[in-house]
Amino acid sequence: SQQGEEDPQALSIQEGENATMNCSYKTSINNLQWYRQNSGRGLVHLILIRSNEREKHSGRLRVTLDTSKKSSSLLITASRAADTASYFCATAPVDSNYQLIWGAGTKLIIKP
Amino acid sequence: DTGVSQNPRHKITKRGQNVTFRCDPISEHNRLYWYRQTLGQGPEFLTYFQNEAQLEKSRLLSDRFSAERPKGSFSTLEIQRTEQGDSAMYLCASSLGGRGANEQFFGPGTRLTVL
Repeated sequence: SQQGEEDPQALSIQEGENATMNCSYKTSINNLQWYRQNSGRGLVHLILIRSNEREKHSGRLRVTLDTSKKSSSLLITASRAADTASYFCATAPVDSNYQLIWGAGTKLIIKP
Repeated sequence: DTGVSQNPRHKITKRGQNVTFRCDPISEHNRLYWYRQTLGQGPEFLTYFQNEAQLEKSRLLSDRFSAERPKGSFSTLEIQRTEQGDSAMYLCASSLGGRGANEQFFGPGTRLTVL
């Protein structure tokens, strides 16, 4: 079963603009991870944020986590054509030592 | 290249045939996962190995699916008597052990088409 729900399902923006994607989940988690998938490189891990963290940065990526609302957001600043991909959030529930539960993803298109 | 590799990359088969896929994880990773992904969806968990032990298998997985990881190294996923509904991308991932689910490293996948 899929726990995470990404919002929006699809997003199309101009190159240079910022892109924000959201993820909501249902159960308590150890961490939340964001992945990117495009046809060229498959699924690639972007960033992991632990349940006791509220914000994390990696290059042009900024992730926030609000455990009280069971939600996370991924912000990509100064988007590039190469950012065109599907973005998935995956949650690591507290009752599992290994499992990730995946959402259906947000399809991001960066227009040149 | 020391990433996760999968073979074959593509497989076309006729309904009723058996197929086997192989995954070679990153060598120091003791955790190995198989997922299935269909268009527009996220990965769907199939099964999980810690070293050579298969610790979890999705309840949604039919008995036609079986996976092995002999000696805790490479893994194979076999689908017997394939059906058209088995057509999907089959993904393998590996990770280090530890508390909670860590970053997973994915292979390129095997795309299965059942005619």
